[in-house]
This record gives sequence, structure tokens and C-alpha cells, in this order.
Amino acid sequence: AQKITQTQPGMFVQEKEAVTLDCTYDTSDPSYGLFWYKQPSSGEMIFLIYQGSYDQQNATEGRYSLNFQKARKSANLVISASQLGDSAMYFCAMREEDMGRRALTFGSGTRLQVQP
Amino acid sequence: GAVVSQHPSRVICKSGTSVKIECRSLDFQATTMFWYRQFPKKSLMLMATSNEGSKATYEQGVEKDKFLINHASLTLSTLTVTSAHPEDSSFYICSAPDGLAGGVSEQFFGPGTRLTVL
Repeated sequence: AQKITQTQPGMFVQEKEAVTLDCTYDTSDPSYGLFWYKQPSSGEMIFLIYQGSYDQQNATEGRYSLNFQKARKSANLVISASQLGDSAMYFCAMREEDMGRRALTFGSGTRLQVQP
Repeated sequence: GAVVSQHPSRVICKSGTSVKIECRSLDFQATTMFWYRQFPKKSLMLMATSNEGSKATYEQGVEKDKFLINHASLTLSTLTVTSAHPEDSSFYICSAPDGLAGGVSEQFFGPGTRLTVL
């Protein structure tokens, strides 16, 4: 079974609009972390935001916020006031803590294109 | 934040040759590093976990004799693609958690190495 599912292969958004990128996850570990990364065409992985499974509040980092719904096992990324430079691939990832693995499992990604 | 470097950033080689990729943690020590592979327009797939002072742990389906990993020190891990073939062409990315800081909330990624085997 897929541990991280991103159902949107591609998304379009108008500049200055908000956009939500979907991510659902599957784990039996009570302790886990959820990450979002941006990957521009250069290939580097740019860390955006992190949510721990025990965090009570949704994580926010500037224009990025994570809509964490634990019961539904979803961790959607919300980008507010989109900019042209936000056009890139976005990956949701999970780290399962209790299993002792500290590597990340990635979703298939969503390509976001911001239109002027 | 912590910095992870990779060298080379891009390499083109002939089929049958071996290629070594270095991953360094520049301002922290990493007892563990991870090697990922990414095919064009695809996601990152974990290949192996590099452990300082012990053997690497390979994911299912990854040939350990093909992809040699050596974690020589607390700041350096190397991935050697032996007898490379065109199907090994890919983007290879390493990452490292800041082990001394314990449960940090961020994984630090290198900039990646694009390997093209002719």
C-alpha cells in the first residue's frame, strides 16, 4: 500500500491566488513527521514545512501552511498569495519515528504552475 | 540551517565505467546518511542507508554490488555506481539528519548529482 499519496499530478493557479496541494498518508506508527518539499527544475530539494504527529496546531511558515487532519490522515499544503517563483514540483513526505527509520518516504509529487 | 554538499553535480560517463559520488555534511556530523534515486518526472526512492562504521542497509531491489556505499567518516558518505549502464542514468540525492541534535524536524538534502551513462 502507498504510504504517501498525492492525487494531483498537476495544478494550475493564478498569481496571487491561494492553492491547496493534497497529501494523504498511511502509517500505524503513533509517532511520525510529515514534510513538504519544493523541487524546482534545478533539482534541489527545498524544505518548506514540517508537522509532527503530536503537534496540536497546524504548522505555518510564511506563505505556507499545513492543514493537518490526523483522523483523516491528511496533510495538505496551502500556499497563499502564489508567486510565479512557486512554479515547481512539490513533494509530501513522511518519516516514521517509532520504527527507527529516519529516511523519508515520498509521494509521487504535484507539479504546480503559477500563471500570470 | 545545516548544509549538505554533493560532488560532482553532473557527470557523463561511458557504459562500463564506475562513478563515485560524494556526499558531505559541512557543518554537522552525520552518523547516518541516506541515498535516494529519482528518475525523470518521478518521485525520490530510497536506495540505501549509509551508516558510519558499519555496512550500509540497502532497500529491497537495490543491488549492493552495483551501488557501493562507504561511510568513511562522520561527514562523508560515498556512492559508487560500478560498471554503469544507461539504465543507471538518474538523479542521485543524498540527505542527512543532524544526528547530534536528536529528533530534528528537518532532513537536509544535498543538491543532487545528475548521472548520464552513454
